[in-house]
Amino acid sequence: SQQGEEDPQALSIQEGENATMNCSYKTSINNLQWYRQNSGRGLVHLILIRSNEREKHSGRLRVTLDTSKKSSSLLITASRAADTASYFCATAIIQGAQKLVFGQGTRLTINP
Amino acid sequence: DAGVIQSPRHEVTEMGQEVTLRCKPISGHNSLFWYRQTMMRGLELLIYFNNNVPIDDSGMPEDRFSAKMPNASFSTLKIQPSEPRDSAVYFCASSLAYTPLHFGNGTRLTVT
Repeated sequence: SQQGEEDPQALSIQEGENATMNCSYKTSINNLQWYRQNSGRGLVHLILIRSNEREKHSGRLRVTLDTSKKSSSLLITASRAADTASYFCATAIIQGAQKLVFGQGTRLTINP
Repeated sequence: DAGVIQSPRHEVTEMGQEVTLRCKPISGHNSLFWYRQTMMRGLELLIYFNNNVPIDDSGMPEDRFSAKMPNASFSTLKIQPSEPRDSAVYFCASSLAYTPLHFGNGTRLTVT
């Protein structure tokens, strides 16, 4: 079964609004990563947050991590049509830090 | 940097035929991963290599699947014989020692 579970499965918002996606996981992790996938393409790494970090920013992206609740959120501010894609969280478990387990993803649609 | 290169981009074959998927990782990366993506099961890690050595093949579904990495710049994933349930998008990804993954654009396999 998948380690990470994203919520919601699909999200549709207007351009300029903020988009928030959540990820829950089951076991202790070394780090958690977020990836984006455009239709017909491979996944692209967005941001990595380590287990001892609580928040991280990169441009319009903000990621939080709550290890006590085993959950993370990805916030995209001031969304653009180009942000339309699927977003996946991936967890690196402590015992095998290179082995990433992906969630099912959130399909984000930005309406112009 | 050409990125991770996968070939072919699309493969259509008949049940029972042998299928070979190819991957060229990013030069200098020492880890290589094969993932499979389907609507039903999401992204599944099949196998990964460190320094050309298979580390974890627990995700390989059956003996019909095999993967090799004869050198640092080339890997293959072979399915023999192929079955309709093998239809999926197969991704190769590479990384350098615990850094985020770089994905290729995948091979879409259809087995009829």
